Amino acid sequence: DAGVTQSPTHLIKTRGQQVTLRCSPKSGHDTVSWYQQALGQGPQFIFQYYEEEERQRGNFPDRFSGHQFPNYSSELNVNALLLGDSALYLCATKGALGANVLTFGAGSRLTVL
Amino acid sequence: GQSLEQPSEVTAVEGAIVQINCTYQTSGFYGLSWYQQHDGGAPTFLSYNALDGLEETGRFSSFLSRSDSYGYLLLQELQMKDSASYFCAVREGAAGNKLTFGGGTRVLVKP
Repeated sequence: DAGVTQSPTHLIKTRGQQVTLRCSPKSGHDTVSWYQQALGQGPQFIFQYYEEEERQRGNFPDRFSGHQFPNYSSELNVNALLLGDSALYLCATKGALGANVLTFGAGSRLTVL
Repeated sequence: GQSLEQPSEVTAVEGAIVQINCTYQTSGFYGLSWYQQHDGGAPTFLSYNALDGLEETGRFSSFLSRSDSYGYLLLQELQMKDSASYFCAVREGAAGNKLTFGGGTRVLVKP
C-alpha cells in the first residue's frame, strides 16, 4: 500500500539553482505536510497544505514555497539553493487516527553542491 | 523556545530492554508520539500518548507524564531489526499536522 509517493528519490543541484519536489498522498488524504530532515537530525516542519492553501508554516525562509493541487498532490519549491538546503525532504499525510499519526513518504534526497 | 531532548545513542544486545527518554519544552501540548526510522527509510509511526500513563503495542510501550513534561519509549525483547533511529515528537497546536521532533536516538542492537 503506497501511502505517500514522492519524486524524485535523489537529485543533485548546484548553489543558486531551483528545485521542485513532488508528493502524491494516498487517495482521500487531503492534508499534506512537508518536512526537512538534515543528516543525523529529526525532521523539521516546513509547511502544511489543506484545500490548496498553506495553513501552517514553520521557521523557513520565503525561498521555500509550495502548492497543492485539486487532487491533493503537492509540490515543494526551493529557490536560490544553498549548501545548507542539502537534506531529505519528507512529505506526510494525516491518517485516520488523527494528527499525531502521520504517514511519511520515503523522501527526496537533495544534495546541493 | 520549543525543544525535545532525547539521548543520542543507545546500544543493547538482542533480547534486552531499552528505554528511550524524552523531555519536552513546548508552547502547547496535544500529544507525544514516537516514530521509528531505519537508515535510508521513512519515519514510521510507533505509538502515541495524549494522556498520562502507559500505552502498550506489542513489544513497544510508551509512557507519558504531562506534569513532568516527560515520556519514554520502551523496547522489549530487542531484535536485530530494531536497530534504527527513534524520534519523539510533540503536536503543539490543536489544529494542523505540525509536529516538533526531537533529535533522535540511534539504537544499535548487537547479537
